[in-house]
Amino acid sequence: QKEVEQDPGPLSVPEGAIVSLNCTYSNSAFQYFMWYRQYSRKGPELLMYTYSSGNKEDGRFTAQVDKSSKYISLFIRDSQPSDSATYLCALFYNQGGKLIFGQGTELSVKP
Amino acid sequence: GAGVSQTPSNKVTEKGKYVELRCDPISGHTALYWYRQSLGQGPEFLIYFQGTGAADDSGLPNDRFFAVRPEGSVSTLKIQRTERGDSAMYLCASSTQARENTGELFFGEGSRLTVL
Repeated sequence: QKEVEQDPGPLSVPEGAIVSLNCTYSNSAFQYFMWYRQYSRKGPELLMYTYSSGNKEDGRFTAQVDKSSKYISLFIRDSQPSDSATYLCALFYNQGGKLIFGQGTELSVKP
Repeated sequence: GAGVSQTPSNKVTEKGKYVELRCDPISGHTALYWYRQSLGQGPEFLIYFQGTGAADDSGLPNDRFFAVRPEGSVSTLKIQRTERGDSAMYLCASSTQARENTGELFFGEGSRLTVL
């Protein structure tokens, strides 16, 4: 079993839709829960991260963590064509220093 | 430059050849990481440097892969006797000492390696 599981998609939605992206994980030692966005042929860039269970909002983006279920989500409200990218969940435990990525979900927002 | 710089951006080589990929991190960043990303997959950890030393090299797939960071800044990933399965995007990332403890990494645009 992989440490982090993420549905690869692809996911196609119309402009303005609410998008839900999800990951599950197996190791309860993870402490930080990250979402990175990767445009085609570019390196990943950090969107947002959370440390504890609950919600964190940043503009149109909301990250949600449920540690009891080992489930993390990213919601995008009022999606835009510029949101079209691959979204990678990534988990981190302080000891060890390495970030463990999910497979990535390819999102396409159609005008 | 302001970001992580990786060269070359593209490298095509033949099976069995030796390859070097270079990473120039953001100035002042003490932590440096190498990841490998195959098509349709998430980045896979290779090695992590804290300063000049490799703090964790558990992701290097075999002894054909080696990385150095002799002066604590620029790093070189070296691949000997390349195989077709080594074809991938090689990503470098750096972080400050504070941010590395939260997983906040700054990635370069990668070096795409193709082994024919």
